[in-house]
Amino acid sequence: AQSVSQHNHHVILSEAASLELGCNYSYGGTVNLFWYVQYPGQHLQLLLKYFSGDPLVKGIKGFEAEFIKSKFSFNLRKPSVQWSDTAEYFCAVNAGGYNKLIFGAGTRLAVHP
Amino acid sequence: EPEVTQTPSHQVTQMGQEVILRCVPISNHLYFYWYRQILGQKVEFLVSFYNNEISEKSEIFDDQFSVERPDGSNFTLKIRSTKLEDSAMYFCASNSGGTDTQYFGPGTRLTVL
Repeated sequence: AQSVSQHNHHVILSEAASLELGCNYSYGGTVNLFWYVQYPGQHLQLLLKYFSGDPLVKGIKGFEAEFIKSKFSFNLRKPSVQWSDTAEYFCAVNAGGYNKLIFGAGTRLAVHP
Repeated sequence: EPEVTQTPSHQVTQMGQEVILRCVPISNHLYFYWYRQILGQKVEFLVSFYNNEISEKSEIFDDQFSVERPDGSNFTLKIRSTKLEDSAMYFCASNSGGTDTQYFGPGTRLTVL
């Protein structure tokens, strides 16, 4: 069965620190990969996605992610976080021609000023 | 920018009662989804709906659950006889193509007492 693992459950950073959140998935075929963010009190919003092409994808608010097929990974990065990045981040995948999204457990990021 | 909307934002019900959660997907979208997130757990897929029928459902989506698109705008999730373990945040999502980005609503928090 397909699964998504996010290894960091809670991350605490100071403003201007660099961020990398890990995401690994288990599926051997073609995948579409997503990072969603949920700010406090708000709904899930798309940060970025990978369908095909350049494995380094850029999203909103300075986020980027790199798809490494050999490692089954899609890690999220931001070179310098801000207090407003405090949120929960979810990695998700759909695969095998199915529409459903399989989510990771989420990573709660707290950025201190 | 068009958004997915959901009502109510919070529903409290007694065990054994029926509840209907309502969603208005983005107007030109064709695929509709329900997900749920039990407190502290992953976002889990429940069901997808296309062309007025269920296209995929998870093991969670048993006979107690049903979905309907009663008119051109609403998409509903009915739970026939709620159980304590149905307490969760229920998210509706929609997209225009099966594997395209899914846009999420703000969720309905269901509390079963």
